[in-house]
Amino acid sequence: DAGITQSPRHKVTETGTPVTLRCHQTENHRYMYWYRQDPGHGLRLIHYSYGVKDTDKGEVSDGYSVSRSKTEDFLLTLESATSSQTSVYFCAISGRQGSPLHFGNGTRLTVT
Amino acid sequence: DQQVKQNSPSLSVQEGRISILNCDYTNSMFDYFLWYKKYPAEGPTFLISISSIKDKNEDGRFTVFLNKSAKHLSLHIVPSQPGDSAVYFCAARKDSGAGSYQLTFGKGTKLSVIP
Repeated sequence: DAGITQSPRHKVTETGTPVTLRCHQTENHRYMYWYRQDPGHGLRLIHYSYGVKDTDKGEVSDGYSVSRSKTEDFLLTLESATSSQTSVYFCAISGRQGSPLHFGNGTRLTVT
Repeated sequence: DQQVKQNSPSLSVQEGRISILNCDYTNSMFDYFLWYKKYPAEGPTFLISISSIKDKNEDGRFTVFLNKSAKHLSLHIVPSQPGDSAVYFCAARKDSGAGSYQLTFGKGTKLSVIP
């Protein structure tokens, strides 16, 4: 398995509170991604990073921000959580251009 | 607008028989296609892929077929085994610049292999 750790694995939070999810990799891969998985939608890209401090938006980036201050960590922040952000969040990494993504085991987030 | 479609939410197959999972896409800019398998409470794992310049790729029991003119691909699993029971996601890739690429996923098909 690719060395990807997502934390926390489960979180319950209240509407309006800030939440940060962490993705940590030990593969020294350049590219990192955040996806969310929802019933009836498959996986949708939130944000991605192509290097330290280099990030860009995906198709469902509203309400989310990211930061990558070092190669191994990619943080996803919900500034003010809403119930529509209840989802399972997956981090993915890839090392070479064109190589398949390897996913972490996900974070299940519930916003009440 | 859904660019990658998996129209069958679920599929049941007898052990030992062939499983065929289908996927359609609409964006001609996709240059690479992948299949991922996902078990409950785990992340998706890469299964097999195919470049848009090919029409077939085989890896053991798994074969992916691509029909570019029809914008259709399929995953064949022969013979199917109970351990193949999972959700299968079709994904299509396009270049997003800066050396990275974005994957667009279908909604997934849940395969159940019956012993």
